[in-house]
Amino acid sequence: QSVLTQPPSVSAAPGQKVTISCSGSNSIFGNNYISWYQQLPGTAPKLLIYENNKRPSEIPDRFSGSKSGTSATLGITGLQTGDEADYYCGTWDSSLSAGVFGGGTKLTVL
Amino acid sequence: QVQLQQSGPGLVKPSQTLSLTCAISGDSVSSNSAAWNWIRQSPSRGLEWLGRTFYRSKWYNDYAVSVKGRIIINPDTSKNQFSLQLNSVTPEDTAVYYCARQQQRAYEYWGQGTLVTVSS
Repeated sequence: QSVLTQPPSVSAAPGQKVTISCSGSNSIFGNNYISWYQQLPGTAPKLLIYENNKRPSEIPDRFSGSKSGTSATLGITGLQTGDEADYYCGTWDSSLSAGVFGGGTKLTVL
Repeated sequence: QVQLQQSGPGLVKPSQTLSLTCAISGDSVSSNSAAWNWIRQSPSRGLEWLGRTFYRSKWYNDYAVSVKGRIIINPDTSKNQFSLQLNSVTPEDTAVYYCARQQQRAYEYWGQGTLVTVSS
């Protein structure tokens, strides 16, 4: 059982918008930043969002992140078939000095 | 551009030691702003952070509670790489193992992954 909770799956049509949630305890979310990763089949995870809402320069602005209270959200607009992947949230639990991840969400673009 | 290249055996016998190496290019294992991590992934456990090593005037390590006592992560400054050693493995340790650079509280760069199977 993961420390961070994500829905197992989400789906939407091409061109539409989808959101993926990530929730956890106060102790995890309170003082820690959330990051998001995309994992295409057979590849390593790829960083999409860091420090809750920042994008690496190569990540398109179709991807966005937000955090409020004990939950965070990844948003993807203008869905493409190439966005079909597993998405993971993660954080650094500074109280435990340990990394933690969500269980992952499979995105299907119908 | 940072690149991480993993190497090591894909098959380990139960009770033996799993050993993997991650060679770094485009950065230094002795960087004062990065940390060097090992993360594994299996269908049963998902993504699981195992531990990290980092240099801040001296070397530090953090390890996951789930593997503490069995894990050692060592930097090798002469070869600019770091290694994972996991002792007394069982079939539960079968997973894809990744090395990753952590900076700005996120894992920006990942190795290609190594499937390690624990079986006799």
